[in-house]
Amino acid sequence: EADIYQTPRYLVIGTGKKITLECSQTMGHDKMYWYQQDPGMELHLIHYSYGVNSTEKGDLSSESTVSRIRTEHFPLTLESARPSHTSQYLCASSSNRQGGTGELFFGEGSRLTVL
Amino acid sequence: AQSVAQPEDQVNVAEGNPLTVKCTYSVSGNPYLFWYVQYPNRGLQFLLKYITGDNLVKGSYGFEAEFNKSQTSFHLKKPSALVSDSALYFCAVRDIRMDSSYKLIFGSGTRLLVRP
Repeated sequence: EADIYQTPRYLVIGTGKKITLECSQTMGHDKMYWYQQDPGMELHLIHYSYGVNSTEKGDLSSESTVSRIRTEHFPLTLESARPSHTSQYLCASSSNRQGGTGELFFGEGSRLTVL
Repeated sequence: AQSVAQPEDQVNVAEGNPLTVKCTYSVSGNPYLFWYVQYPNRGLQFLLKYITGDNLVKGSYGFEAEFNKSQTSFHLKKPSALVSDSALYFCAVRDIRMDSSYKLIFGSGTRLLVRP
């Protein structure tokens, strides 16, 4: 059973507000990811991390930022939210086991609505 | 470059009938292939994976998938669909030669609708 948690599940905020989406996992995974899922269903990788103090931009450019100060924690921050940031954000992690197959374990998602 | 295609936006099937959700992939080496399911307002749940060995892979909830190297396909199947199988299904691939990258490449998703 995967143990990866996202908060908040739902967030409605006004334009210009700063928000942080939390993601924590208790599996000891060193690799963590943030995906943005648009209403058309597609998943877009926006950030990933291979370990503490390691963060990389994903395939889709995003105005959000991430940090990885602890293995289990991978928060995503938007300094000034805009309506274009309205989306579902999915956090995931994968095993650091040698030769691991790389399957991802996902959180339940954070649905952000910016008015 | 790695890529994965799900040619159908939606698949409709009657309850009790067999279902197939299609997936084709492109990698330069040998692939790791995955299927995930997403129910409304939820994250993705792992269904099954192909790594090596038997081309027919069995997974959760009675689903299975067949790896076909010559056709570069990894179609998801179930012999008898249930209304509760209605959800979004994502195929994903990882090129195992790219060991420095643990990113999965996801398809665009297929919505499965099982009617009673």
